[in-house]
Amino acid sequence: AQTVTQSQPEMSVQEAETVTLSCTYDTSESDYYLFWYKQPPSRQMILVIRQEAYKQQNATENRFSVNFQKAAKSFSLKISDSQLGDAAMYFCAYTRRTSGSRLTFGEGTQLTVNP
Amino acid sequence: NAGVTQTPKFRVLKTGQSMTLLCAQDMNHEYMYWYRQDPGMGLRLIHYSVGEGTTAKGEVPDGYNVSRLKKQNFLLGLESAAPSQTSVYFCASRFADTQYFGPGTRLTVL
Repeated sequence: AQTVTQSQPEMSVQEAETVTLSCTYDTSESDYYLFWYKQPPSRQMILVIRQEAYKQQNATENRFSVNFQKAAKSFSLKISDSQLGDAAMYFCAYTRRTSGSRLTFGEGTQLTVNP
Repeated sequence: NAGVTQTPKFRVLKTGQSMTLLCAQDMNHEYMYWYRQDPGMGLRLIHYSVGEGTTAKGEVPDGYNVSRLKKQNFLLGLESAAPSQTSVYFCASRFADTQYFGPGTRLTVL
């Protein structure tokens, strides 16, 4: 079974600085997707970034980027120039590339941004 | 384009009562999912559907039933609510391996 582990229950960062959230996963599959979702206090699950396992290039979305290490099964999220609005719970998630495949979530990392 | 919507947003039930949560999406997505989120945990899959008229069990299906009579709607039912079903419930629809979530329903069972 696939598992996703986020070893940092809480992280904090100063506004305008950079923070990295860690995620590791376990799978025997070779073709899959990885995601980071953000959940602010509103509870809405917001897609932050998506990585396809067969792509070696790390995904980037504006201030958000990932460090995808397939052999190490590691998928960290870097947030640059942190803003107050980045404060939220961040979830790492995995899905196989098959029909109907579900998302497997990590436990989440609560990010605090200090002014 | 409203995306994924969920009805209701909040609900309080007594043990043994029944209710139905409604999820609707206007993106014409084939796949839809119901998850639950408990404190300190990520989302866990309850049931899912790969198309109109089809449903399948997820990771934690016990105590729940689902129906997908129309492509745009995915209903989650609790026949006899238990306190262990107190949770936040999320619906999602999927396109091209990415799932898009509704705003959630906070359910409390007393």
